Amino acid sequence: AQSVSQHNHHVILSEAASLELGCNYSYGGTVNLFWYVQYPGQHLQLLLKYFSGDPLVKGIKGFEAEFIKSKFSFNLRKPSVQWSDTAEYFCAVNAPYSGNTGKLIFGQGTTLQVKP
Amino acid sequence: DAGVIQSPRHEVTEMGQEVTLRCKPISGHNSLFWYRQTMMRGLELLIYFNNNVPIDDSGMPEDRFSAKMPNASFSTLKIQPSEPRDSAVYFCASSSSDDPYNEQFFGPGTRLTVL
Repeated sequence: AQSVSQHNHHVILSEAASLELGCNYSYGGTVNLFWYVQYPGQHLQLLLKYFSGDPLVKGIKGFEAEFIKSKFSFNLRKPSVQWSDTAEYFCAVNAPYSGNTGKLIFGQGTTLQVKP
Repeated sequence: DAGVIQSPRHEVTEMGQEVTLRCKPISGHNSLFWYRQTMMRGLELLIYFNNNVPIDDSGMPEDRFSAKMPNASFSTLKIQPSEPRDSAVYFCASSSSDDPYNEQFFGPGTRLTVL
């Protein structure tokens, strides 16, 4: 069965620090990959997504993620975090040709706390 | 586009009462998903529909939970009878099979409190 693993459950950083959140998935075929963000008290919003092409994907608010197929990874990065980046981050994968069209498998989420 | 619409945004009820949560997906989307989010269990997929047909309801916790999608623009999630452990935020999301990404768009959620 497909699964998504986010290694860091709770990350605390100071403003201007660099961020990298790990995400690994278990599925050997073609995948679509996503990072969603949930700000306190709000719903999930898309940060970025990967379908094909350039494995380095740029999203909103200065975030980027790199798809490394050989490592089954899709880590999220930001060179300099801001206090407003405090949120929960979810990695998700969809296997469009596996018969589960549309269904996303979500990781457990990583809570990021940025100290001013 | 108004996005995914959920109602009510907040619901407070007493144990044993019936609760109905409503969702209107984005027009043209043909897949609809119901999720539950709690501190203890995180984000859980309860059920999803494709072209109004339930595809996978393995996440529905028990028979007290039921979901329907009578047409392409409306879905309900019902809990009867409700229990305090059902307190959570319930999200609805929709997507389109025409989208190669199968990106899901989330609604604002319904915060349910069962006393």
